[in-house]
Amino acid sequence: KNEVEQSPQNLTAQEGEFITINCSYSVGISALHWLQQHPGGGIVSLFMLSSGKKKHGRLIATINIQEKHSSLHITASHPRDSAVYICAVRLLGGGATNKLIFGTGTLLAVQP
Amino acid sequence: KAGVTQTPRYLIKTRGQQVTLSCSPISGHRSVSWYQQTPGQGLQFLFEYFSETQRNKGNFPGRFSGRQFSNSRSEMNVSTLELGDSALYLCASSLVSGVSEAFFGQGTRLTVV
Repeated sequence: KNEVEQSPQNLTAQEGEFITINCSYSVGISALHWLQQHPGGGIVSLFMLSSGKKKHGRLIATINIQEKHSSLHITASHPRDSAVYICAVRLLGGGATNKLIFGTGTLLAVQP
Repeated sequence: KAGVTQTPRYLIKTRGQQVTLSCSPISGHRSVSWYQQTPGQGLQFLFEYFSETQRNKGNFPGRFSGRQFSNSRSEMNVSTLELGDSALYLCASSLVSGVSEAFFGQGTRLTVV
């Protein structure tokens, strides 16, 4: 079983829909990252969370440390949001490090 | 402010050869991490450097090595290439490891034939 699980693996939405991508992990973590990867490979870091909730534009990320669960929400989705969204965690006790364990990603397609 | 620059973007090598990939971090960033992405294994951590010292290493064979220079630029080297080394290699830089946000480069796509 992977230490970081994402759901769904694939998601198709209509433009304007509210989207939720989930990430569950089975290890103690000090931080969780949400990343976006477009075709061609480049990765953009969307959020780094250790508690609570963060918002940036139409994107919202939440984390519940007790339940070992995080969600990424996209409001008013747009075709340009189509990408792979990846959850990654930094292990607790690992110190100040960018050694991350990655989920397998969620492929999002937003249709006009 | 220039982003993280990885060179080359694409590379084709033959089995048994060696390859060196380069990563120039954002100016002022001292931490550089390397990751491998394959269709089968997804993204995996390779190693991490801070101030020219390797801080962490992932679970990869000794054929994978790296270093960081005094200007924070980093290189990774893979010797005796195998077909399974074909992957997208990504590097990320941050001001300080694990505390500040990580910025990723566009990656180097290595194909081993």
